[in-house]
Amino acid sequence: KQEVTQIPAALSVPEGENLVLNCSFTDSAIYNLQWFRQDPGKGLTSLLLIQSSQREQTSGRLNASLDKSSGRSTLYIAASQPGDSATYLCAVRDSGGYQKVTFGTGTKLQVIP
Amino acid sequence: EADIYQTPRYLVIGTGKKITLECSQTMGHDKMYWYQQDPGMELHLIHYSYGVNSTEKGDLSSESTVSRIRTEHFPLTLESARPSHTSQYLCASSAMAGGFYNEQFFGPGTRLTVL
Repeated sequence: KQEVTQIPAALSVPEGENLVLNCSFTDSAIYNLQWFRQDPGKGLTSLLLIQSSQREQTSGRLNASLDKSSGRSTLYIAASQPGDSATYLCAVRDSGGYQKVTFGTGTKLQVIP
Repeated sequence: EADIYQTPRYLVIGTGKKITLECSQTMGHDKMYWYQQDPGMELHLIHYSYGVNSTEKGDLSSESTVSRIRTEHFPLTLESARPSHTSQYLCASSAMAGGFYNEQFFGPGTRLTVL
């Protein structure tokens, strides 16, 4: 059974700092990994999708990496802004069966002005 | 921006009422999902569909039912709502492209309160 863990559970940083969010998963037989952000009481917004054959994806100030063999992904946020404050979730889609998607428990980020 | 819609956004109802939460997507995606999320907690998959006339239960036991008569529409129904059903319900969809399952897109969610 796939298990997805995100560390830390919460993070508070001053504006302008670069930061790294971590996601680890137990079964390396994955199809893809997706990073989302969720604002309080809202749905999830897709940030980056990494296919199993890829090592990283970039979008603006965000860079996500994937190391399938070690079961890890990181989301790097450069020059953090107060608008980045949200909960960040990673989701892993398995390659077998019905390609189940397993979500991590999230990292709640607060960027202080 | 993802074209996936959920209505209503907020719903407060009394115990025993029958309700249907609507979810529609205009992207032609074959896979659709319903998740349940309590405040500050993780998402739990309650139903999913591979396509028209295909529905399956997810990991979390749910008293709700779903239907998929049209590709774009995936409604969730509670026959008799109870306070334990109070939660946020998130609908999502994804498609296959180039041999890979594409991004999963989420709707804005329906926050349900059962009194």
